Amino acid sequence: SAVISQKPSRDICQRGTSLTIQCQVDSQVTMMFWYRQQPGQSLTLIATANQGSEATYESGFVIDKFPISRPNLTFSTLTVSNMSPEDSSIYLCSVDGDTSTDTQYFGPGTRLTVL
Amino acid sequence: AQKVTQAQTEISVVEKEDVTLDCVYETRDTTYYLFWYKQPPSGELVFLIRRNSFDEQNEISGRYSWNFQKSTSSFNFTITASQVVDSAVYFCALSVINDMRFGAGTRLTVKP
Repeated sequence: SAVISQKPSRDICQRGTSLTIQCQVDSQVTMMFWYRQQPGQSLTLIATANQGSEATYESGFVIDKFPISRPNLTFSTLTVSNMSPEDSSIYLCSVDGDTSTDTQYFGPGTRLTVL
Repeated sequence: AQKVTQAQTEISVVEKEDVTLDCVYETRDTTYYLFWYKQPPSGELVFLIRRNSFDEQNEISGRYSWNFQKSTSSFNFTITASQVVDSAVYFCALSVINDMRFGAGTRLTVKP
C-alpha cells in the first residue's frame, strides 16, 4: 500500500481566510481523491484529481471554493477558500493504490477548525 | 446510484464479546467492490478488506471475519473476542469504477 502524508495535520483558522492542504504519496499514482468528513459524519467525496487535467468535482462542491492542484503523479493540494465555521472538518486525501480493484488508501487527514 | 447503509450508529460491548457490524448496499452495477475501513480516534482511515462482486467467499483474518451475501446485498463484519483496541468507527464502502461511497459508520466501543 502507498504511504501518504498530509500537511498540516491540523490548523485553526479565522473566518474569511484560506488554507491549502498538501498531500504527498511515496509512489506515482493515477488518481487522487479529496474527501471531507464533518464532525461525527461519514466521508463525502469533494473531487477527483488526475494529473494533467482539471479536477472533477462532486455535486455541491465548486472549484472556486475548493481549488485543487495536481502538478505531478505524487502530489496534490486542496485549498479551502473564504472559510466559514461550516468548513470545520477533517479533510482526507486518498490515492488509488490498486486501480484494478478500486482500492483507495487514505492519508492521516487534516483537522481544520474555523473560528 | 450507489448507496451504503450501516443501520447501527453505535455499539458497545464488553471485552471478549463477539460483535457483528452490519452493512447493506445498493447498486445496479454487476461489477463492484466492497470495503471495510477502520477509523481510530487518531482519524486515519485504515483499510481492512476488499471484496469484489464475483467473490462471495467469506474471509477470516485473525479475529476478523467478513460475510458477503449478494442475495441480501450485505457485507457484514464480525470481530471475535473483541479487545479495547478495536474501539473505533468502522465504515463500510461500495465502489463502482473508482466512485466510492461510504456508509454513515458504526462507532464501536469495547469496554474493559
